[in-house]
Amino acid sequence: GENVEQHPSTLSVQEGDSAVIKCTYSDSASNYFPWYKQELGKRPQLIIDIRSNVGEKKDQRIAVTLNKTAKHFSLHITETQPEDSAVYFCAASMFSGGYNKLIFGAGTRLAVHP
Amino acid sequence: SAVISQKPSRDICQRGTSLTIQCQVDSQVTMMFWYRQQPGQSLTLIATANQGSEATYESGFVIDKFPISRPNLTFSTLTVSNMSPEDSSIYLCSVPGQPTNEKLFFGSGTQLSVL
Repeated sequence: GENVEQHPSTLSVQEGDSAVIKCTYSDSASNYFPWYKQELGKRPQLIIDIRSNVGEKKDQRIAVTLNKTAKHFSLHITETQPEDSAVYFCAASMFSGGYNKLIFGAGTRLAVHP
Repeated sequence: SAVISQKPSRDICQRGTSLTIQCQVDSQVTMMFWYRQQPGQSLTLIATANQGSEATYESGFVIDKFPISRPNLTFSTLTVSNMSPEDSSIYLCSVPGQPTNEKLFFGSGTQLSVL
């Protein structure tokens, strides 16, 4: 089955710096890779996603890159702000039993210091 | 995205009892997924619930411990049976978005504490 590894587990940056979170996956058949942001006490929220036929996707200050050959994908946040502080989860799709399900990484706790 | 309501939002339960969590969606969906998030941990898929058929459980989760109902296309329940302190977690229902069925959206979660 699919295994998703995520690094680092914690990340501390100064406001305005960039933050990068990396994930690797094991199932070469995975074709969908979302990123979720979870603030304390709240539900995970989808912030950006990428499909396997695309190498990079941007949405304002966040971007995701995908290297299918190496089976890794990354989240990039530029010009970080204190409100970016949260736990970020990557995920990879796994097709099983006739439908796609998501397998999540362990999460990265990002702290942005003013 | 669908509006997903979960009840209860939190509960404190005694060891050995059971709790049923409800998930209501404002639109019809074929699949609903139940996840568990242990304190400070990631999201682990418990089972997938399809309307009209038995739920499909992931490795490490069994129907006797986590029975699931899916009576129609907008509603599902997850029961945590014979609870122990190790069951203390956040339980989240989720549904795929339309039209691609890929994007997953989560309910607000049920914070369960077992004493």
